[in-house]
Amino acid sequence: QVQLVQSETEVHKPGASVTVSCKSSGFSFTSHPIHWVRQAPGQGLEWMGWINAGSGNRKSSPKFQGRLSLTTDTSANTAYMRLTSLRFEDTAIYYCARFWADGEALDFWGQGSLVTVSS
Amino acid sequence: DIVLTQSPLSLPVTPGEPASISCKSSQSLLHSNGFTYLNWYLQRPGKSPQLLIYLGSRRASGVPDRFSGSGTGTDFTLRISRVEAEDIGVYYCMQALQTLTFGGGTKVEI
Repeated sequence: QVQLVQSETEVHKPGASVTVSCKSSGFSFTSHPIHWVRQAPGQGLEWMGWINAGSGNRKSSPKFQGRLSLTTDTSANTAYMRLTSLRFEDTAIYYCARFWADGEALDFWGQGSLVTVSS
Repeated sequence: DIVLTQSPLSLPVTPGEPASISCKSSQSLLHSNGFTYLNWYLQRPGKSPQLLIYLGSRRASGVPDRFSGSGTGTDFTLRISRVEAEDIGVYYCMQALQTLTFGGGTKVEI
């Protein structure tokens, strides 16, 4: 079955960087773009960017102004989201999700990774 | 970016009764291929979002038929024919016509 398993909770100081991993199984990793979505405490969902492991194409929200890096390791069927120069407002649960082209939807989601930015 | 506006923000429901949520888009979500690129998700407390409806009105695999999506262009509705206790959580609409954006969410509570 399709699964996206993310890395665990992390705590970082302002200015540091964090990398969240998203290991996929049960489907062709290179055939489905992976999107990243975050959710601040008590808030709604915010799209961050996507990457296609098959083509190498990627796109990030301008909101992150070069702080966001999306990569993949096709040998490990894993996607990575790296956010640098962390700020207090980056505290959130970060989700990876598979994009299903036929339905134009994010059909499977990881369990989420809590990133806390605290001094 | 396309802006999605959901209403109401909070929706008290009664088990066995119907419920509906509105999602209005700042521009038409009708693609030139004839499909509407609007999805609905349910996020239960402490869980990841779950796809309910895709392409405006199609139920995702395993979704009970009490859930239905409708609408065209810029106005969309998610309906629950008879609310069950497991339906509580926050519902989001999401558009995929352009860079993905989400509505602000509607909290459904009993």
